[in-house]
Amino acid sequence: AQSVAQPEDQVNVAEGNPLTVKCTYSVSGNPYLFWYVQYPNRGLQFLLKYITGDNLVKGSYGFEAEFNKSQTSFHLKKPSALVSDSALYFCAVEAWGNNRLAFGKGNQVVVIP
Amino acid sequence: DAGITQSPRHKVTETGTPVTLRCHQTENHRYMYWYRQDPGHGLRLIHYSYGVKDTDKGEVSDGYSVSRSKTEDFLLTLESATSSQTSVYFCAISESVGPNQPQHFGDGTRLSIL
Repeated sequence: AQSVAQPEDQVNVAEGNPLTVKCTYSVSGNPYLFWYVQYPNRGLQFLLKYITGDNLVKGSYGFEAEFNKSQTSFHLKKPSALVSDSALYFCAVEAWGNNRLAFGKGNQVVVIP
Repeated sequence: DAGITQSPRHKVTETGTPVTLRCHQTENHRYMYWYRQDPGHGLRLIHYSYGVKDTDKGEVSDGYSVSRSKTEDFLLTLESATSSQTSVYFCAISESVGPNQPQHFGDGTRLSIL
């Protein structure tokens, strides 16, 4: 079975500072990895994905994520956080071929003006 | 935004009553999913559909049933609602399976069972 751990409940960062949201995963075989963002009273919006190839993946709104196979991690990063980045962020993993996403519990990001 | 409409957006009902939530899509996507979102658990898959009248269970399917009689509609039914089913329910769709087709989500239904 696949699973995702997002170890921090909340991440606080000052506007303009780098933002990192951590994710580690467990899966048999090769993983497909995703990040989604959720704003209040809205559904999840897709940010980026890793399938294969370059370990650094670039996505929407200036976000990127780094895949590290040896550490089974897929941390989300943004070089300079904006107040509008304040939201709930979910990491998800899909084991190759099983067509099911397993989500982490989510991280609340608060960007302080 | 993907054309996904969930109805109702909010519902309050009593324990033991039947409840049906509707997901309607205008994208003609083959795959549809129902998730529930609870604090500390993220999203958990309830049921999914891979075509008209083709459905399968997810990880938290007990107490829920689904139906899909046409491509655009996927219904989630709580036959006899319990307080443990108080949650926010999300519908998602995807054109096909596999990582090249990320799932797109509706805005959710907030269900409270008293």
